[in-house]
Amino acid sequence: DQQVKQNSPSLSVQEGRISILNCDYTNSMFDYFLWYKKYPAEGPTFLISISSIKDKNEDGRFTVFLNKSAKHLSLHIVPSQPGDSAVYFCAASGTGANSKLTFGKGITLSVRP
Amino acid sequence: NAGVTQTPKFRILKIGQSMTLQCTQDMNHNYMYWYRQDPGMGLKLIYYSVGAGITDKGEVPNGYNVSRSTTEDFPLRLELAAPSQTSVYFCASSYGIRGTEAFFGQGTRLTVV
Repeated sequence: DQQVKQNSPSLSVQEGRISILNCDYTNSMFDYFLWYKKYPAEGPTFLISISSIKDKNEDGRFTVFLNKSAKHLSLHIVPSQPGDSAVYFCAASGTGANSKLTFGKGITLSVRP
Repeated sequence: NAGVTQTPKFRILKIGQSMTLQCTQDMNHNYMYWYRQDPGMGLKLIYYSVGAGITDKGEVPNGYNVSRSTTEDFPLRLELAAPSQTSVYFCASSYGIRGTEAFFGQGTRLTVV
C-alpha cells in the first residue's frame, strides 16, 4: 500500500529545458512534503519542501507545486543542467502516527548535454 | 562539520552471521532514523529514535535491533542475517520529526550470501 507514488521511474530532458517530476499521495493526513535528491553512492540530500498551507514554493531553479485537491505535487527544474542528473525522491509527513517521513520510489532524471 | 557518518560503507555477510552498522551525528539532533533502500524502491523506515534512551519501530523492523545510549550514536544490529536483508542502509538525523529536513549518511551496502 504505497502512500506516496512516483509513477514514472525515469525522465530524460535536454539541458536548458524544464524538468517536471510528479508525485501523488493517498494519505489525506499528509500536510508537509519534501523533495530529496540522490547521487549514486551517496545519501539523499534535502532539496525543497512545501507545507499544505501553500501551493507553491520556489528556491532558485527549483519550484514545487502542490495541488491538495488532487493530492498531487510536482517539482519543476528550470533550466535543467547536467548536474541535476540524479534520483529524486518525493516524501511526505503529517501529524501523529503519520509524522515520520514516507518516501516514494524515486524518479531517475537524466539531463542530456 | 561531518554531519552523519556511517560505517562500514560495504559489507558482505554470510547467512546467519550478525553485525552492527554504526551511525554517528555531530549536529546535536534529537531524532535519528534507519532506512533501507531496495533496488527500484523508496526508503523504508526500519527504526527511529526521538532521543537518547528512546527508540521505536518503523515499517520494517523485523530482523533488526537498535539502541540509543547517547544523542550522537544510533547503531543498527542485524542478528542472524538473511538474504532478504541485502540492501543499502541509510542512517539519518533531524532536528524535529515532523516534516523537518533530515540529513542522511552516505549509506552502507550490505550483501548477505
